[in-house]
Amino acid sequence: NAGVMQNPRHLVRRRGQEARLRCSPMKGHSHVYWYRQLPEEGLKFMVYLQKENIIDESGMPKERFSAEFPKEGPSILRIQQVVRGDSAAYFCASSPRTASYEQYFGPGTRLTVT
Amino acid sequence: DQQVKQNSPSLSVQEGRISILNCDYTNSMFDYFLWYKKYPAEGPTFLISISSIKDKNEDGRFTVFLNKSAKHLSLHIVPSQPGDSAVYFCAASTSADNRLAFGKGNQVVVIP
Repeated sequence: NAGVMQNPRHLVRRRGQEARLRCSPMKGHSHVYWYRQLPEEGLKFMVYLQKENIIDESGMPKERFSAEFPKEGPSILRIQQVVRGDSAAYFCASSPRTASYEQYFGPGTRLTVT
Repeated sequence: DQQVKQNSPSLSVQEGRISILNCDYTNSMFDYFLWYKKYPAEGPTFLISISSIKDKNEDGRFTVFLNKSAKHLSLHIVPSQPGDSAVYFCAASTSADNRLAFGKGNQVVVIP
């Protein structure tokens, strides 16, 4: 499967715990984007990363959320001290180059905070 | 602020007929528009796109029309097939950044 991989597909966390979401881009893609979809809403941009660099984090909440895309390994979206409002589907997308409008999405991680 | 708007959240259409989905945007800086299709429990799949220098793009059964003066675009699917039943998202971007702004989506149900 050469598509964008995300894991876990489903994640349940209690309030106050940490959530780690992983994304492996398509082979040959070095640009990763994270989006969040709240119930009954469209996808909202969170952050855009290239290897070892955060390019645009204008959509990230100021606290508790962080993202990285290390030289080796998947991109990680980390949510500390989760709250019920963090319950959503988190999608990762990748593209092969800068300013590529056609982003290829993974299947998403559905986070439920109890 | 919702820069990309999709009204009429759901649409039912008979197999073989045309499905028309509409999308309006407010940001005049948008210069590239895309439609994505999404099945339950899957990620969005790219369907078709259009640059702001064009007013129409066609790919098989799918055609996207862009009216820049009205800040409006539409997706036509003809003929509609049962496998087209999904949620369709309109998205837009500017050449200044890599963010996609999405609408809330339209649920399409194609009745066999």
